[in-house]
Amino acid sequence: NAGVTQTPKFRILKIGQSMTLQCAQDMNHNYMYWYRQDPGMGLKLIYYSVGAGITDKGEVPNGYNVSRSTTEDFPLRLELAAPSQTSVYFCASSYARGAGRGTEAFFGQGTRLTVV
Amino acid sequence: DQQVKQNSPSLSVQEGRISILNCDYTNSMFDYFLWYKKYPAEGPTFLISISSIKDKNEDGRFTVFLNKSAKHLSLHIVPSQPGDSAVYFCAAHNAGNNRKLIWGLGTSLAVNP
Repeated sequence: NAGVTQTPKFRILKIGQSMTLQCAQDMNHNYMYWYRQDPGMGLKLIYYSVGAGITDKGEVPNGYNVSRSTTEDFPLRLELAAPSQTSVYFCASSYARGAGRGTEAFFGQGTRLTVV
Repeated sequence: DQQVKQNSPSLSVQEGRISILNCDYTNSMFDYFLWYKKYPAEGPTFLISISSIKDKNEDGRFTVFLNKSAKHLSLHIVPSQPGDSAVYFCAAHNAGNNRKLIWGLGTSLAVNP
């Protein structure tokens, strides 16, 4: 019963490097999300996807890219890492989106990223 | 501009007593509210939700109350247990703005044995 799996759990990047944060879910959810949480702050939506092949920007998309080639996987790509991208990144999925039952999101354990 | 406010960064209660976590919001377009619990080094987990057409929702030891006129909701945990020690996030669904979910900053609850 894996749910949402994120890798890696921790990563240190140098300024200007690139990396991909992996996210996979096994609940057959159509909706997937990437959030970041800065210290002492709430969660900010980076990108989301309503199904394979369909992605859209959230509140803070700059510096990131996503793709959704399958229902299960939703990787987040960081190009040219900057110190401002130091954060904890959470991937989540939900059965539905909006208000009401089925819209509650299931989260992965998070990836703690430090850019130095 | 914090549309969902959890004004108490932390709360400490005694085991067995009631924990009350508060959340205020500013946008009247919010129509669905959720509480998530987060342990250190883990992702948030869904706890309980309430629709704006209701004023109360109960699930075991957890009850959420919604006061629409005051734009205020609260999460009650009775009785509190040490395992409830975690950060609690209030989140609100915006029916008007591309169905965004807006998160509060969280309240850290410590339940002391």
